[in-house]
Amino acid sequence: DARVTQTPRDKVTEMGQEVTMRCQPILGHNTVFWYRQTMMQGLELLAYFRNRAPLDDSGMPKDRFSAEMPDATLATLKIQPSEPRDSAVYFCASGLGTSDSSTDTQYFGPGTRLTVL
Amino acid sequence: GNSVTQMEGPVTLSEEAFLTINCTYTATGYPSLFWYVQYPGEGLQLLLKATKADDKGSNKGFEATYRKETTSFHLEKGSVQVSDSAVYFCALANFNKFYFGSGTKLNVKP
Repeated sequence: DARVTQTPRDKVTEMGQEVTMRCQPILGHNTVFWYRQTMMQGLELLAYFRNRAPLDDSGMPKDRFSAEMPDATLATLKIQPSEPRDSAVYFCASGLGTSDSSTDTQYFGPGTRLTVL
Repeated sequence: GNSVTQMEGPVTLSEEAFLTINCTYTATGYPSLFWYVQYPGEGLQLLLKATKADDKGSNKGFEATYRKETTSFHLEKGSVQVSDSAVYFCALANFNKFYFGSGTKLNVKP
């Protein structure tokens, strides 16, 4: 059955390094979300795209984070330079929505566990 | 604005006990409401949803009714199992955005 995939599943890196996380949404879904989950903050929305265009990235630290959708089958979240406080699990989710209504159900990927030393 | 408040956990129950996890929301317009479940080491999975007032979502023995008059969407299950141990998130979808509660951890003991 169709699933959202994310790579890598685990990433350990050192402070200052660039990190790129990838997400393949479910085929046919036109909306992609990036979330960050930590024990302290819970689940935070970082950014989301509709039809590959960014609709909202207000949750994302602009100076170091960037999110893109090079094509309909790939979304990327990049951190440069990474910092220890970026350590978290990053989830991608996809769904089907229209321009004048809320996105229906979101389907989550398994997450990328990032550890920045 | 839009927000979701759910009861803090952890909730610890014995197997076959009755479960209620409270969820209330604030929203403009007519949101859709969801419950998601997260098992250890995994992403969130949709458990059930309701898209309009008085709708009841149900799945795997779990139920929740969209109550507009009390702005609530409480999750219930008549008899929990050890395998139900997980974190449960209430969520609201409105105007192209999702708003998640902080999650309630459920521990079910044999």
